[in-house]
Amino acid sequence: AQSVAQPEDQVNVAEGNPLTVKCTYSVSGNPYLFWYVQYPNRGLQFLLKYITGDNLVKGSYGFEAEFNKSQTSFHLKKPSALVSDSALYFCAVRDMESGSGNTGKLIFGQGTTLQVKP
Amino acid sequence: GAVVSQHPSWVICKSGTSVKIECRSLDFQATTMFWYRQFPKQSLMLMATSNEGSKATYEQGVEKDKFLINHASLTLSTLTVTSAHPEDSSFYICSSREQGGSSPLHFGNGTRLTVT
Repeated sequence: AQSVAQPEDQVNVAEGNPLTVKCTYSVSGNPYLFWYVQYPNRGLQFLLKYITGDNLVKGSYGFEAEFNKSQTSFHLKKPSALVSDSALYFCAVRDMESGSGNTGKLIFGQGTTLQVKP
Repeated sequence: GAVVSQHPSWVICKSGTSVKIECRSLDFQATTMFWYRQFPKQSLMLMATSNEGSKATYEQGVEKDKFLINHASLTLSTLTVTSAHPEDSSFYICSSREQGGSSPLHFGNGTRLTVT
């Protein structure tokens, strides 16, 4: 079965320090992986995606993620955190089973709250 | 980039009434839209997939007669919560994507529904 796991409910980091938000996945075949950010009472904003190619993907607001096939991981990173990065982060993988591969249906992780303290 | 507009952003209604939420793709054609529900501090739960010109596909456990979905055009999908009850209070989010195998989903800003 396909799944996405974000093992940390919350990540705390000091402003200016590097941050990592973890994500592991389980899919059959090659994964399409995504990261989204959600601010309170708002929808999700797309940050970045991995489809194929370079394992290090750069996205919006200085975020990047590294695809690691052997570890089935897609951790989100940023070299220097900002207080404004505090939000809820979701990792997602495209559902390629259930006949839904062409619709773009996503399977989401449970989310990780990032708290950046000044 | 692709924009999905969702209205209203919040609504308060009395128990037993119905509420309609609209989701529009502003600069692309959306043949498929996804409707999610999100409880506080939880992940998104897919409720249904709406397809332009055909019936929506509901996830297991979602009552299709309670959550009516209409996708009559390539730019508009609506979710109607019928005979709302307090337990329907939640954050509802729609999303869609442009055509193309690797296009990301774009989300509306969500609708906070409170049923009193």
